[in-house]
Amino acid sequence: EIVMTQSPATLSVSPGERATLSCRASQSVSSNLAWYQQKPGQAPRLLIYGASTRATGIPARFSGSGSGTEFTLTISSLQSEDFAVYYCQQYNNWPVTFGQGTKLEIK
Amino acid sequence: EVQLVESGGGLVQPGGSLRLSCAASGFTFSSYWMSWVRQAPGKGLEWVANIKQDGSEKYYVDSVKGRFTISRDNAKNSLYLQMNSLRAEDTAVYYCASGITTAAFDIWGQGTMVTVSS
Repeated sequence: EIVMTQSPATLSVSPGERATLSCRASQSVSSNLAWYQQKPGQAPRLLIYGASTRATGIPARFSGSGSGTEFTLTISSLQSEDFAVYYCQQYNNWPVTFGQGTKLEIK
Repeated sequence: EVQLVESGGGLVQPGGSLRLSCAASGFTFSSYWMSWVRQAPGKGLEWVANIKQDGSEKYYVDSVKGRFTISRDNAKNSLYLQMNSLRAEDTAVYYCASGITTAAFDIWGQGTMVTVSS
């Protein structure tokens, strides 16, 4: 199974600033990488698929990049509603696997 | 509106059984693979099982093989997860999920909590 490793575990950023989250795969997943946002008590919400394509309704301040084993989620100017936990997921191989999450907190 | 609604969670003793349901609406349920994904309290996401459109293929994470059974009823737009021989480590919120516009999971239910404890 492919192991997904996210860093950092916790990221403290001020509103209005940029946040950069990383995800690494233990082997190549091509561009079959998704990012999800999860707020307390809610289901995950798909933000990015295909490593860089925003899902329907996702604001342009969210962007994804990378391919192979190294991926990045960037939030260009943090809004209050963006503070949450973010997960990456590979769907190149079964079983699909998720990273352990990055908690984005207010600095 | 595209929607998934889970039900059937609750408190069960170790070794017991529970059947989860997921009711789908707003899309052609029979056209898509469906999955169950779980999240233990304070932990990350773990894919549990999935099932092909016609039910002919089913896959499971190793930790539930032989104990859990995924099934679907396309006539009722419903997905199920029969969970037997439950263990404390199966305690989690269980989500049904699918990808209807992407290969990732773009639709999720609200989740149903399963607690395995004596």
